[in-house]
Amino acid sequence: EAEVAQSPRYKITEKSQAVAFWCDPISGHATLYWYRQILGQGPELLVQFQDESVVDDSQLPKDRFSAERLKGVDSTLKIQPAELGDSAMYLCASSKSGIGQFFGPGTRLTVL
Amino acid sequence: ILNVEQSPQSLHVQEGDSTNFTCSFPSSNFYALHWYRWETAKSPEALFVMTLNGDEKKKGRISATLNTKEGYSYLYIKGSQPEDSATYLCAFSYNQGGKLIFGQGTELSVKP
Repeated sequence: EAEVAQSPRYKITEKSQAVAFWCDPISGHATLYWYRQILGQGPELLVQFQDESVVDDSQLPKDRFSAERLKGVDSTLKIQPAELGDSAMYLCASSKSGIGQFFGPGTRLTVL
Repeated sequence: ILNVEQSPQSLHVQEGDSTNFTCSFPSSNFYALHWYRWETAKSPEALFVMTLNGDEKKKGRISATLNTKEGYSYLYIKGSQPEDSATYLCAFSYNQGGKLIFGQGTELSVKP
C-alpha cells in the first residue's frame, strides 16, 4: 500500500540552529500539505502545494520557515533559526482527488 | 474564525464498553467532515470522509454520523478493544482540496 514518507522521524536541535524535514508524497498526488501539531492542539496547516506551486502559505512564519517542492514531487520544510516554540510534530500529507488527505508518520522536533 | 471542537478531550473505558465522541464545526461553508485515528508512532489513518447531511458511515465496529445543519458529527465505537486506543481527530474542510481544520482530538484509552 502506498504511503507518505517523512524523515527524520525525530529531531533534537538547539535553538538558533537550522533544521530541515523531508516529505515524499504518494506517487501521483499533486497536492502536498505541511501541518504542524503543537502538543494538546490539533494540526494546523503551514503550507499547501499544488504541483510545485504554493497555494496557501498564510500561516507559515516566513521570517524563519521556508518550504519548497521544486519538481512537484517531494518537498522540504526548513526552519532557520529554530526557536523553543517550534517544538512540535510536523506532518506531511498528500492528496490526489482533493477530498481525502493521506498523512505520513510525522517528524517530532524538540528544540532545546 | 473557523473552530472545530471535540469532546471529551480524553476517555478511559474498559474493554467491551461502547463509546462515542462529538465533533462540532461551523455549519456554514461546509464541504466535508473527516475522521482520523492516530496511534502513537504511526501515521494518522483516515476513517471516514462525509459530505452530505445525514450521512452515516460504518467500518467494522466504528461508525459515524453527520449533521451539517447544526454542525456536529458523532463517532461511535461498539465493544471497544485495547487496539482501539488512539487519538481520534475530526477535521472540517470548506472546499475541495483545501486545508483541513482540525479539532484538538479525543484521546481514547481502552483497558483490558
